[in-house]
Amino acid sequence: GAVVSQHPSRVICKSGTSVKIECRSLDFQATTMFWYRQFPKQSLMLMATSNEGSKATYEQGVEKDKFLINHASLTLSTLTVTSAHPEDSSFYICSGFGGRTQDQYFGPGTRLLVL
Amino acid sequence: AQSVTQPDIHITVSEGASLELRCNYSYGATPYLFWYVQSPGQGLQLLLKYFSGDTLVQGIKGFEAEFKRSQSSFNLRKPSVHWSDAAEYFCAVGPSGNTPLVFGKGTRLSVIA
Repeated sequence: GAVVSQHPSRVICKSGTSVKIECRSLDFQATTMFWYRQFPKQSLMLMATSNEGSKATYEQGVEKDKFLINHASLTLSTLTVTSAHPEDSSFYICSGFGGRTQDQYFGPGTRLLVL
Repeated sequence: AQSVTQPDIHITVSEGASLELRCNYSYGATPYLFWYVQSPGQGLQLLLKYFSGDTLVQGIKGFEAEFKRSQSSFNLRKPSVHWSDAAEYFCAVGPSGNTPLVFGKGTRLSVIA
């Protein structure tokens, strides 16, 4: 099946710093990628939708200047959390749509802890 | 608004026993329905999906789900659970396959000997 990777798998940073999370579709081209956020014991909540070569579409309540999304190629999307604060600590999961069966394939997630 | 309810936060079953995980959804039209499984440190893996046709859908790993429009349900079943099935299970709904999905809160499955 199609594989999506995320890097790093977990990151700890100081408050006020920026963190970049990479999402790669390893064996298929993902024209659309989605970024979700998951709090403990909560469901995945969509943050934004990104299409290759265009600006991301953010969900209501998600600050686009704080969560910068770049989808520069059909296999790579990045999420940068700028000026991170402790309340940004969460589990971030990306998914890419495509592949032979045209499904959404999810990455393993990135656990962010802001101190 | 779309929503998904998974009433059971945690279920424990004995190995070899049957399993049913419940999922109810709220959606204006016939949605695409999905079940995903998430093991610790792993991404979400698609078990099965439904968008039309036969309301009983077969998936991977011996799982099946039945779409019941009258009950707005899409329950996941497996006749005989294996210890390796212990994981978190998510039901999700969306207008199509290439659109963002709305997820339930998940059901954690524990399997005991």
